[in-house]
Amino acid sequence: TQLLEQSPQFLSIQEGENLTVYCNSSSVFSSLQWYRQEPGEGPVLLVTVVTGGEVKKLKRLTFQFGDARKDSSLHITAAQTGDTGLYLCAGDAELSYNTDKLIFGTGTRLQVFP
Amino acid sequence: DARVTQTPRHKVTEMGQEVTMRCQPILGHNTVFWYRQTMMQGLELLAYFRNRAPLDDSGMPKDRFSAEMPDATLATLKIQPSEPRDSAVYFCASGLMAGGSDEQFFGPGTRLTVL
Repeated sequence: TQLLEQSPQFLSIQEGENLTVYCNSSSVFSSLQWYRQEPGEGPVLLVTVVTGGEVKKLKRLTFQFGDARKDSSLHITAAQTGDTGLYLCAGDAELSYNTDKLIFGTGTRLQVFP
Repeated sequence: DARVTQTPRHKVTEMGQEVTMRCQPILGHNTVFWYRQTMMQGLELLAYFRNRAPLDDSGMPKDRFSAEMPDATLATLKIQPSEPRDSAVYFCASGLMAGGSDEQFFGPGTRLTVL
């Protein structure tokens, strides 16, 4: 069974601080996606990483896919209150063939205070 | 601005009652997913359809849950009879899938409470 463990589970910080969220698995994934979910809404895709070692930047957010494609991280620089939300990583359910099924991580709930 | 819509947004019902949740996927998307989210289990895939045909419903309790796509603009998830443990937020998502990790667009969810 493929599992994606995220850490930390909860994170409460002040505006301006930096933070890193981790997404780990013992399984290899073809690709990993990161979503952000705000209260009362569905998750929204932030980025997809597909190559081992890949780094993608989205303004103050930096995403990295591990060399072995088993883990990923999300780093936020100078957090803002608008970054508050639930961050979810998600990976392909199967490596051996293309599928649209995603396994979602356990989630990291981020609260940024002014 | 194309969005996935879900109705109702909130539903409170009593144990044993039938619950039907509806989803309108984004026009042109060929794949529709149903997920359930709880604090304990996180986001779990219940079932999904490609071009209206069910591809996988292994995440769904078959004895009480059923999912259908009567047409390309409507997907339904039905629970009969409902139980308190079904209380959760149910999300529908759609996407234009080419066989890889393409983007899934989520609706706002239906928050179900079974008393």
